[in-house]
Amino acid sequence: DAMVIQNPRYQVTQFGKPVTLSCSQTLNHNVMYWYQQKSSQAPKLLFHYYDKDFNNEADTPDNFQSRRPNTSFCFLDIRSPGLGDAAMYLCATSRKQGAGGYTFGSGTRLTVV
Amino acid sequence: AQRVTQPEKLLSVFKGAPVELKCNYSYSGSPELFWYVQYSRQRLQLLLRHISRESIKGFTADLNKGETSFHLKKPFAQEEDSAMYYCALIGNQGGKLIFGQGTELSVKP
Repeated sequence: DAMVIQNPRYQVTQFGKPVTLSCSQTLNHNVMYWYQQKSSQAPKLLFHYYDKDFNNEADTPDNFQSRRPNTSFCFLDIRSPGLGDAAMYLCATSRKQGAGGYTFGSGTRLTVV
Repeated sequence: AQRVTQPEKLLSVFKGAPVELKCNYSYSGSPELFWYVQYSRQRLQLLLRHISRESIKGFTADLNKGETSFHLKKPFAQEEDSAMYYCALIGNQGGKLIFGQGTELSVKP
């Protein structure tokens, strides 16, 4: 099945130790998104790629970076994780910008110790 | 500012009862509205969108521009409807999907 795959499902990292979360898709969608979802809160968009064009949300901390080496893969890098960065991180794709029918991955739950 | 509000964090009903999950939005233009659902231990998935005017799993939602609402309704709830439901919008300026905080629906036998 064409889908969005996030690895790992659970990630534990140490305070201040860089961590990378990965997302891959077999849908050949042009747009890939990273959302952060904290407990009992709405998913919050961090940034997205439209093809190779990177679009950062104004309130996304500099601590969060992203890479998209090709159409299929997108990575979320947290340079120095703090305790407040513990959350579920959701990757999503859409065929084009402005299309709201996103396909989501299962998410990576990040714990910072 | 674009905003989606779901006033109920938890909605509990009995099987066979009607259910309505409320969603209100603020947006100055003409947004596109969606309902997403997340069943236990599953990924977030699209349930329906207002432009399709469809019924999925017995759920319907009508966009009321006057009241800026997009409430999700089902006449007879089933136990398998228990899940987290998110209302979301995309503005006509394109780009990002903005989510409400979600309503947990619990359907009891």
